Amino acid sequence: AQRVTQPEKLLSVFKGAPVELKCNYSYSGSPELFWYVQYSRQRLQLLLRHISRESIKGFTADLNKGETSFHLKKPFAQEEDSAMYYCALTHGNEKLTFGTGTRLTIIP
Amino acid sequence: DAGVTQSPTHLIKTRGQHVTLRCSPISGHKSVSWYQQVLGQGPQFIFQYYEKEERGRGNFPDRFSARQFPNYSSELNVNALLLGDSALYLCASSLGGARLYGYTFGSGTRLTVV
Repeated sequence: AQRVTQPEKLLSVFKGAPVELKCNYSYSGSPELFWYVQYSRQRLQLLLRHISRESIKGFTADLNKGETSFHLKKPFAQEEDSAMYYCALTHGNEKLTFGTGTRLTIIP
Repeated sequence: DAGVTQSPTHLIKTRGQHVTLRCSPISGHKSVSWYQQVLGQGPQFIFQYYEKEERGRGNFPDRFSARQFPNYSSELNVNALLLGDSALYLCASSLGGARLYGYTFGSGTRLTVV
């Protein structure tokens, strides 16, 4: 069965410092990985997806198949990055499996 | 474009009752999925529909059912409500599937069972 693990429920980072939100997954095939973000009082929205290898709002994520990880990174945190972040995977049947989420707080 | 719209936004029901939640996808999106999000957890997959056909079902009891209409809108029905069904129910739509496009989520329906 597929599983997504986000080991940190809470993460606090100073403004301007680097950010790394960890995501590990277990799946024997070749999944597609995503990061979703939920800002305060807003709906869950797609931040970035592995397949497009894009950078959104300064965030990037590299799929490491050897370590089965898809960590989200940003070199310099901004206050507006404070939000709930969910890592998710799908493997073809269109179902998204989400992690439990990490609440990121940027300290001014 | 109004995005994915869900109704109602909040709902309070009594144990044993039945509830119907509604979802309108983004125009042109033919895939609709339902997720349950319990406080402190990530969303859990319930159903996926594409072109009015069920394409996937999560690990939920038969009390949960859904359908998709010709205009691609969808309903989620839950019978014999339990206290544990209290959650945020999210609807998501996609243009062509999660792998390429990801899903666009609605704001959800907050269901409280008392």
